[in-house]
Amino acid sequence: DAGVIQSPRHEVTEMGQEVTLRCKPISGHNSLFWYRQTMMRGLELLIYFNNNVPIDDSGMPEDRFSAKMPNASFSTLKIQPSEPRDSAVYFCASRWTGTNTEAFFGQGTRLTVV
Amino acid sequence: AQSVTQPDIHITVSEGASLELRCNYSYGATPYLFWYVQSPGQGLQLLLKYFSGDTLVQGIKGFEAEFKRSQSSFNLRKPSVHWSDAAEYFCAVGADAGNMLTFGGGTRLMVKP
Repeated sequence: DAGVIQSPRHEVTEMGQEVTLRCKPISGHNSLFWYRQTMMRGLELLIYFNNNVPIDDSGMPEDRFSAKMPNASFSTLKIQPSEPRDSAVYFCASRWTGTNTEAFFGQGTRLTVV
Repeated sequence: AQSVTQPDIHITVSEGASLELRCNYSYGATPYLFWYVQSPGQGLQLLLKYFSGDTLVQGIKGFEAEFKRSQSSFNLRKPSVHWSDAAEYFCAVGADAGNMLTFGGGTRLMVKP
């Protein structure tokens, strides 16, 4: 398996533009997580899905952020409009919600908003 | 609410020396505990995990960790550090299957030749 695949790996955009980050979880996994990593706040959980359904989005910073999981093999995290303070590395992770299973992380998307 | 504290932000050790990275957690029940490693520009890779049973857990790359319920700790150890171990290490705690992980702030490890 290729692991969790995120695209793009790097994104530079201007303030006010819409940004869409993409994630393909590992086949067979039924939980998907979006994390954000910054120097100031470390790793923060933004939202997670079980069986394509959002379970907890309390970590989403504000209404500018939205996430979808239209099917078991694809998820998006959208920021509209983007702001410089959104600059961070965004990680997607997936796991199978069986006993004793861990989350597998993608390589991340480094977002820079100028 | 669950939380994780990694008291050491930076640690520097000499190559070949032993290593211990500290992790303290707060959680109301028996936790799921994890150590992940992140190399520069990379995602997080699982080193080891504890769910139940033997409190001394062996992981990849020669790492081990010990769960001490009385101290709410899950410290990571390695008897002899290699230069390639230089990275950032994250401790994480999770609830039961299906719930999200809460990460500590990370410890950046530097290895001196």
